[in-house]
Order: sequence, then structure tokens, then C-alpha cells
Amino acid sequence: DIVMTQSPLSLPVTPGEPASISCRSSQSLLRSNGYNYLDWYVQKPGQSPQLLIYLVSTRASGVPDRFSGSGSGTDFTLKISRVEAEDVGVYYCMQSLQTPPAFGQGTKLEIK
Amino acid sequence: EVQLVESGGGLVKPGGSLRLSCSGSGFIFSRYSMNWVRQAPGKGLEWVSSIRWNSDNLYYADSVKGRFSISRDNTKSSLYLQMYSLRPEDTAVYYCARDRVPGAGGPHDAFDVWGRGTMVTVSS
Repeated sequence: DIVMTQSPLSLPVTPGEPASISCRSSQSLLRSNGYNYLDWYVQKPGQSPQLLIYLVSTRASGVPDRFSGSGSGTDFTLKISRVEAEDVGVYYCMQSLQTPPAFGQGTKLEIK
Repeated sequence: EVQLVESGGGLVKPGGSLRLSCSGSGFIFSRYSMNWVRQAPGKGLEWVSSIRWNSDNLYYADSVKGRFSISRDNTKSSLYLQMYSLRPEDTAVYYCARDRVPGAGGPHDAFDVWGRGTMVTVSS
């Protein structure tokens, strides 16, 4: 099974400052079609998870462009260019390449 | 509006059974593979099970294999999770989630629509 490891697990950020979350997979997430099957989700307090980014770098509908994803193979990064108060929540990466789909442990972003 | 609504959660004793349902609306349910994902209190997300759009392939986490059964009724736009031999460690909020791409070729995809979840508590 593929294991997903995120860091840091806690991320205090000052509003307006950038933030970055790392996600590493125990195996390459590259499929033969050339896509890496790595997705990012956020779970805001009291809410269900919501899709932020899929296939490493494509923002889901309605996601602000201050969110960006990058990486390939086994190393991936989610970046927020300027954190806003509404970005508070737990961020998860997930591999959707093979069964079982696996989430990282989650990174809790909080406002300083 | 695209929507998923779960139901069927509750309190059950260890060894008991429960059937969760998820009703989809606002999209052509029969075209999408569907999933169950759970979250134990204060913990992270754990994928539980998936079913392809035409039910030709079913997938389960090792932690529930042999105890849980996923199914769907496309005529009712509904997804189900039959849970047997429940254990305290199955206590969680259970979310229904939709694959992003209809009729996708791979076994899995990103989950682009999520329900609000239904709570399952296994306790004596």
C-alpha cells in the first residue's frame, strides 16, 4: 500500500504571509498517462472535506488562485501565496493512483 | 445543485449491524463511481470503500473487508454501505463522496463532491 506523509502537522501562519505544506508518497504517483494522481483537500472547522486541487496542480471549481500545487513522482507541495483567515482548517493530501486510496495525516493550519 | 445526503447512522452495540445510505441529486448519479470515507473522532480521513459506476468493481479497505458491503441502486440515485460485525474502532463520521470524472477508467479519482456525513457509534 502507498503511504502518504505530510509535514508539518501544525502550521501557524500570520495573515498575508505565505504557507507551504509538503506531502510525500512511498511510491511514485505517476500513471502511464503522464498524470500524477495526487489531490489536496481542506476540511474547515465543522465542515466536510472539500476538494482543493487534483492531479497535483489543477484547482477545483471555485478555489482561489492563491492556492497552487506542484510536484511529481513522490514529492508534492501545496502553497498558499497569502493566507487569509478563512483558510483555517486541516489540509490533507491523497493519492488516487491505486487501491487503497490513502490520505496523509493532515496539516492543521491556524492563524497566528 | 449537486448534493449528497447520508443517512442511517446511529448507536449500535459491538457485533451489531447498520446500513448507511447516501442519496445523490443534481447530477447523473449512474455515471459516477462513488465512495465511502470515514473520520474517527478527532482523527484524520480514512478511505473505506468504492464502487464503480456500473457496480462491476468493488473495493474495500483491509480494515473493513469481509465485514462491510458496498452497493448502489442507480434507479434511486442511491449508494449504500452495509456494515456487519461492527467494532468500537468503526466509530466515525461516514462520508459519501463522488469521483470527479464520470466513467473514469482508473479504479479511483479525486473526490469532488462530499456529503455532510452520518455518525456511527459502536459502543456497549
